[in-house]
Amino acid sequence: EVQLVESGGGLVQPGGSLRLSCAASGFTFRSYAMSWVRQTPGKGLEWVSSLSGNGSGTWYADSVKGRFTISRDNFKNTLYLQMDSLRAGDTALYYCARTGVFDYWGQGTLVTVSS
Amino acid sequence: DIVMTQTPLSLSVTPGQPASISCTSSQSLLHSDGKTYFYWFLQKPGHSPQLLISEVSSRFSGVPDRFSGSGSGTDFTLRISRVEAEDVGVYYCMQGLRLRTFGQGTKLEIK
Repeated sequence: EVQLVESGGGLVQPGGSLRLSCAASGFTFRSYAMSWVRQTPGKGLEWVSSLSGNGSGTWYADSVKGRFTISRDNFKNTLYLQMDSLRAGDTALYYCARTGVFDYWGQGTLVTVSS
Repeated sequence: DIVMTQTPLSLSVTPGQPASISCTSSQSLLHSDGKTYFYWFLQKPGHSPQLLISEVSSRFSGVPDRFSGSGSGTDFTLRISRVEAEDVGVYYCMQGLRLRTFGQGTKLEIK
């Protein structure tokens, strides 16, 4: 059974940093691209970033480019999202999802950017 | 950026009756490889989104056959042949041709 478990969310001040993690199990992690998608009440679902299986290819939404970094550890079966220079507009529930078409999703981790 | 527009934004359906949701993209989602990169998701209350249909009309594993997708180019439709209580939630369309963009969502309620 495919399982994706996010962690690392929390309250952070504007300009601060946070690193999200997504622990994967139930499939051959290194064989699949992985993605982060966020959800806010006001803006619905927004794709954030994707990463190829071997880590060589990365893609970012314009809204996070230059501030967020996606990475993975294929030995630990874990996906990461390093978020720097956080803004109030980054407040959202962050989901980890398998592949670039999001065939499986985690339960999400909440990030709140506020002073 | 490719913009996805869903209609209606909400609908209320009697169990056993059909339902239909439309999604329009601001440009064609047909790739030169012949595939059309268009998807449907359902987010049930209190749950994460789940993939329903990929590449316009392919149901994902475990999705009931009362769900069907159709369309081409820029215009797409999700149909539920007979709505059941478990189908309530918010339906999202998404394009996968250039990066990823979601529609604003359509809330399905049961009458």
